[in-house]
Amino acid sequence: QKEVEQNSGPLSVPEGAIASLNCTYSDRVSQSFFWYRQYSGKSPELIMSIYSNGDKEDGRFTAQLNKASQYVSLLIRDSQPSDSATYLCAVNRIQGAQKLVFGQGTRLTINP
Amino acid sequence: EAEVAQSPRYKITEKSQAVAFWCDPISGHATLYWYRQILGQGPELLVQFQDESVVDDSQLPKDRFSAERLKGVDSTLKIQPAELGDSAMYLCASSLEVPGEQYFGPGTRLTVT
Repeated sequence: QKEVEQNSGPLSVPEGAIASLNCTYSDRVSQSFFWYRQYSGKSPELIMSIYSNGDKEDGRFTAQLNKASQYVSLLIRDSQPSDSATYLCAVNRIQGAQKLVFGQGTRLTINP
Repeated sequence: EAEVAQSPRYKITEKSQAVAFWCDPISGHATLYWYRQILGQGPELLVQFQDESVVDDSQLPKDRFSAERLKGVDSTLKIQPAELGDSAMYLCASSLEVPGEQYFGPGTRLTVT
């Protein structure tokens, strides 16, 4: 089992709809969770961080965390073509060497 | 706006040659990270510095890779000799604290021929 798992996609969503991106993790005691957006050929850009169970909203983005289910998700409302990118989930591993572990990313395409 | 700086942005080198990458973190960020990202995968940590000290280099191929952060500010990652399998994006990131939000530089795209 991978430490951080994401569906690689591609996920195709029509413009204006809600895009839902999911991530599961294996380190039960992880406390810090991050979503990065990465455009093709560019470096990852931090868009959300979440540390507590529940929802955290920032503009059109909502991160959701459920530590009991070891699940974190990202919702993008009113999806725009400019949201087309790969979204990386990252989890701060505590057990063993503490470090940020990334999923392989989900490729999202917003169709006009 | 504070940013992580990296150079060069692109590097093409022949196998068995030496190559070096430079990174300048966001001012005030004591923690600096070097990652390698292969196409279609997430970044993988190579080495983590806290000030000038190495905190984690467990995934750094030490027979050919070296990293230093002599004055606890900017950092250099070196590969000698380069191999075809080293072709990847090399990313530098920094954070104010650990654990904390990491901010990435633009990366160096390395192609080994």
